[in-house]
Amino acid sequence: DTAVSQTPKYLVTQMGNDKSIKCEQNLGHDTMYWYKQDSKKFLKIMFSYNNKELIINETVPNRFSPKSPDKAHLNLHINSLELGDSAVYFCASRRLRETQYFGPGTRLLVL
Amino acid sequence: GEDVEQSLFLSVREGDSSVINCTYTDSSSTYLYWYKQEPGAGLQLLTYIFSNMDMKQDQRLTVLLNKKDKHLSLRIADTQTGDSAIYFCAEISGYSTLTFGKGTMLLVSP
Repeated sequence: DTAVSQTPKYLVTQMGNDKSIKCEQNLGHDTMYWYKQDSKKFLKIMFSYNNKELIINETVPNRFSPKSPDKAHLNLHINSLELGDSAVYFCASRRLRETQYFGPGTRLLVL
Repeated sequence: GEDVEQSLFLSVREGDSSVINCTYTDSSSTYLYWYKQEPGAGLQLLTYIFSNMDMKQDQRLTVLLNKKDKHLSLRIADTQTGDSAIYFCAEISGYSTLTFGKGTMLLVSP
């Protein structure tokens, strides 16, 4: 029944490691997003994919690389993790001109 | 660029009405949204309004939109302690990307 799911829910890792966060939606939406919510709760768009193609790439370090194997999945891979990457990462999806639905978030803590 | 502003904090007593305000700058916004985030939880869509509407009511929630002033408000009637959360205003800009305000923390005291 879950519309937008993310794994893992929590991720604690050391600086310098490489990690991935997965997102899947079962709503048949054609556009998916990654947002970052920092410690002050401010949400900012990172990436947007439409039909597996990157359409938005905000000012994000190139250590962050999204990958969309199919329309239902948008994964986020992060290389060489830094302390400042600690945040909550939200995946979202939508169909054109409809509302965005968000996943539950992945809490990333870099030590 | 687009900007969405909200007051950061609101405190009310249980049973009172809460009004959370938001201003935005993008005059081409088509949809405006209110999301709720409870402590430790993800974002939950509360309600949204299309830009050609002035008002939308959904049970205890009333959304008012003043497009001329680019002002959006969310009124919660008979506020309950369970309404304590952070409320985000957001608008669609560019290629269907949401721009969020920084969130208003609503604290409801018994």
